[in-house]
Parts: sequence; C-alpha cells; structure tokens
Amino acid sequence: EPEVTQTPSHQVTQMGQEVILRCVPISNHLYFYWYRQILGQKVEFLVSFYNNEISEKSEIFDDQFSVERPDGSNFTLKIRSTKLEDSAMYFCASSVGLGRNQPQHFGDGTRLSIL
Amino acid sequence: GESVGLHLPTLSVQEGDNSIINCAYSNSASDYFIWYKQESGKGPQFIIDIRSNMDKRQGQRVTVLLNKTVKHLSLQIAATQPGDSAVYFCAENVGGSQGNLIFGKGTKLSVKP
Repeated sequence: EPEVTQTPSHQVTQMGQEVILRCVPISNHLYFYWYRQILGQKVEFLVSFYNNEISEKSEIFDDQFSVERPDGSNFTLKIRSTKLEDSAMYFCASSVGLGRNQPQHFGDGTRLSIL
Repeated sequence: GESVGLHLPTLSVQEGDNSIINCAYSNSASDYFIWYKQESGKGPQFIIDIRSNMDKRQGQRVTVLLNKTVKHLSLQIAATQPGDSAVYFCAENVGGSQGNLIFGKGTKLSVKP
C-alpha cells in the first residue's frame, strides 16, 4: 500500500540553526500538509499546500516556517532559525482530494530535537 | 503545578471484547470527521471517516457513530485484538477550511490477552 515517507526520522539541531524536514507524499495525491505534535500533546495543524501554494496556515506557522515542493515528488518544511520550543514530532500528510472530503494519510514523522 | 502534558483517558479491554471510544468535538460547523490510530513511534494511521450528512458508517471490524445534536463521535471496535492497542484520535474538519484537521486529545486503548 502506498505510504507517505519522511526523512530523517530524527533530527538534532542547535538552536538558531536552519532545519529542513523532507517528505515524499503518496504519488497521486494533490494536497499536502504539515502537522506537529509536541511530546504528550495533541497533533496540531501547521499548513496545507495545493497547486504550489499555501492554502491555509495556522498561527504556529509564522515567518520562521516555509514550505516548498521543489520537484514532482518532495515536499519540504523549513524552519529558518530554530527555537527550543520547536522541538516536536513533525508529521507530513497528503490527500488525493481536499482534506475536508478525503482522508489525510500521515507519514511516521520526524522527531526534531533542538539543543 | 500546571500540567504540561495531556493525561490521556485510558480504556482497558479484554481480548475479544468490543471497545467503544468516545470523542466530543468542538465546532458545530465541522462537516467531516476521521478516526486515527497512533502506535508508539508512528504517525496517525487512518481508520475510518464519516461526513456530517451521515450518522453511521461501518468498516472492517469498526463502526463510527456521529451525533451532531450533542457533537459526539464514537468508534466501536468489534472483537478487539492485542494489535488494536494504541492511542486513538478523532479529528474534525470545519466546513470551509482547506483541510485543516483539528485533533482531539486521544484515548489510549490497552487490550489484555
């Protein structure tokens, strides 16, 4: 069964450094998402992306965050200058249609640890 | 002191019994709901979804019930197995949003052999 893949599985970065988290969505999916889950807390929406532009973003997704689909398969989340509070699991998801009508399928996440 | 993490509701069932996991959702404008299963170290795994124009939907060993009057969602798992042990989340999508899922707190299901 096709799945969303994320790399790396664990990223350790010094505070203030830039980090790029990578995702390969399911190949025929058109809508892409990033979520995060701070340890012991709820999964929180960050951003949705369709047709090479952001569709919706949350308050968490400030100017330090950006997303890109650099080619036909990858979808990336960049944090420009990481803070301690960015430590979390980051999940990528994709759906074949708009997420309010089609289920979003998640990858296994990247654990981001900021030192 | 202030709690910094979620204290997950826990449901413990015997293998072979049926499980019912409940969820209260927040927004009366939500029109699409999904149940996810999350095992340790993994991402949320899609189980079943339901749209607001339905009140029941069945899958393989799972049934989702939606009560819009009281904003309540439930997941029923028939003949629960040890492999069903995980944290279960309900998620809602508010009508008009671009797929922004709002996740609930989660319920930890433990299945005793």
